[in-house]
Amino acid sequence: AQKVTQAQTEISVVEKEDVTLDCVYETRDTTYYLFWYKQPPSGELVFLIRRNSFDEQNEISGRYSWNFQKSTSSFNFTITASQVVDSAVYFCALTIYNFNKFYFGSGTKLNVKP
Amino acid sequence: NAGVTQTPKFRVLKTGQSMTLLCAQDMNHEYMYWYRQDPGMGLRLIHYSVGEGTTAKGEVPDGYNVSRLKKQNFLLGLESAAPSQTSVYFCASVWGGANTGELFFGEGSRLTVL
Repeated sequence: AQKVTQAQTEISVVEKEDVTLDCVYETRDTTYYLFWYKQPPSGELVFLIRRNSFDEQNEISGRYSWNFQKSTSSFNFTITASQVVDSAVYFCALTIYNFNKFYFGSGTKLNVKP
Repeated sequence: NAGVTQTPKFRVLKTGQSMTLLCAQDMNHEYMYWYRQDPGMGLRLIHYSVGEGTTAKGEVPDGYNVSRLKKQNFLLGLESAAPSQTSVYFCASVWGGANTGELFFGEGSRLTVL
């Protein structure tokens, strides 16, 4: 069975602080895909990143970076120098190869205060 | 390019009433999904479809029905609405299966059942 755990329900930081959102996943498959989505207060779901299980290289996109570690089954997301516009709910998701379903974590609400 | 469009965006129902949510995508995606989002519970899959004329149950299908008569449309029906179905509903689609890319989401439909 597949499962995604986001243990941090809510995080509050002050602007310019760095913050890491944790994502732990469970799967017995060797080929799988991990995702992060952002849901700002306006409600839409915005795709951030997709990573397959064979690519453990960390990825950086501007202030965003992702750390994928198969040894700990984690796909953590770090925002450097956070901004108020980063305030949102962030979801981690998992799917396995040739499968039909996406499994979502319960989300982490990030509050960035000015 | 509209992407994934959901109608209506908001609806208030009385217990026992019926309604249909329409999801339309213009990306020629094969796979479509209906999720519900409730506070603290992330996104839960209601039903999904892997192609025109096919549907399957997700993790919370009770009280809902779906139809995929045309490839671009995926309808979610509530035959007899209950207060427990008060939620935000998201439709999503992906090109050819869970491993072919990320989910594209609609903007959500907020349903309140009194």
